[in-house]
Amino acid sequence: GQQLNQSPQSMFIQEGEDVSMNCTSSSIFNTWLWYKQDPGEGPVLLIALYKAGELTSNGRLTAQFGITRKDSFLNISASIPSDVGIYFCAGQTNAGGTSYGKLTFGQGTILTVHP
Amino acid sequence: NAGVMQNPRHLVRRRGQEARLRCSPMKGHSHVYWYRQLPEEGLKFMVYLQKENIIDESGMPKERFSAEFPKEGPSILRIQQVVRGDSAAYFCASSHDRGNGYTFGSGTRLTVV
Repeated sequence: GQQLNQSPQSMFIQEGEDVSMNCTSSSIFNTWLWYKQDPGEGPVLLIALYKAGELTSNGRLTAQFGITRKDSFLNISASIPSDVGIYFCAGQTNAGGTSYGKLTFGQGTILTVHP
Repeated sequence: NAGVMQNPRHLVRRRGQEARLRCSPMKGHSHVYWYRQLPEEGLKFMVYLQKENIIDESGMPKERFSAEFPKEGPSILRIQQVVRGDSAAYFCASSHDRGNGYTFGSGTRLTVV
C-alpha cells in the first residue's frame, strides 16, 4: 500500500525560531494536505496543495507540493507557543474508482515550542 | 453550522463486549470516512461510505468490524467482541463530494479493559 515518510519525528525549538518538516512517498499523490492535531482533538486542515510545484502560504505557514508529486514540505516561521501540537502530512489520490477520497497520513511531527 | 459530531467522546468496554461509535456528518455532507489512530501514530483509513453504500472498506479488519451510513441518522462504526488491541482513537470525517472539503470530528477514544 501507499506509505508516507514524515520527518522529523519530533522537534524542540525556541519561540521565534522557524520550523521545517517534510514528507516523502514512494508513489504519486494528486493532492497534499497538512494538518495539525491538538491533544484530544481531531486533525484540523492547515494547507491544501493541488498542483505539482505549487507553493501556498497561510499566515506564518508555507507549504509546497513537490514537482515529482512524491513529496511536500511545511514551514512555520517565527514560531509561537500555540504552534505546539502534532503536524501530519496526508496524501490523496484520484487514481479512480474507490481509492478517491481516501487519505494516507504520515506518522506525524511532534512540535514543542519553548517560550 | 455544526461540524462533524462524534459520540461518545470516550468509551470504555470490557473484552468481548460490543462498541458502537456514532458520527453525524456536517450538514450537506453525504460522504463519510472512518480512520483509526493508535498512540503516537498517524491516522489509518478504515472505510469510506456514501449514504447507504460502502464505497471502500479496504482498511477495515475482515472480522468483528462493520460500518453503516443509513439514509436517516448518523454513520455507525461497530466493533464486536472487542479486544485490547482495538483500543485507539477513532475519527470520522465528512465531505460534500468525493474527497473535497474534508472535515474531521473530535474522535471517540475507545479503551478496552
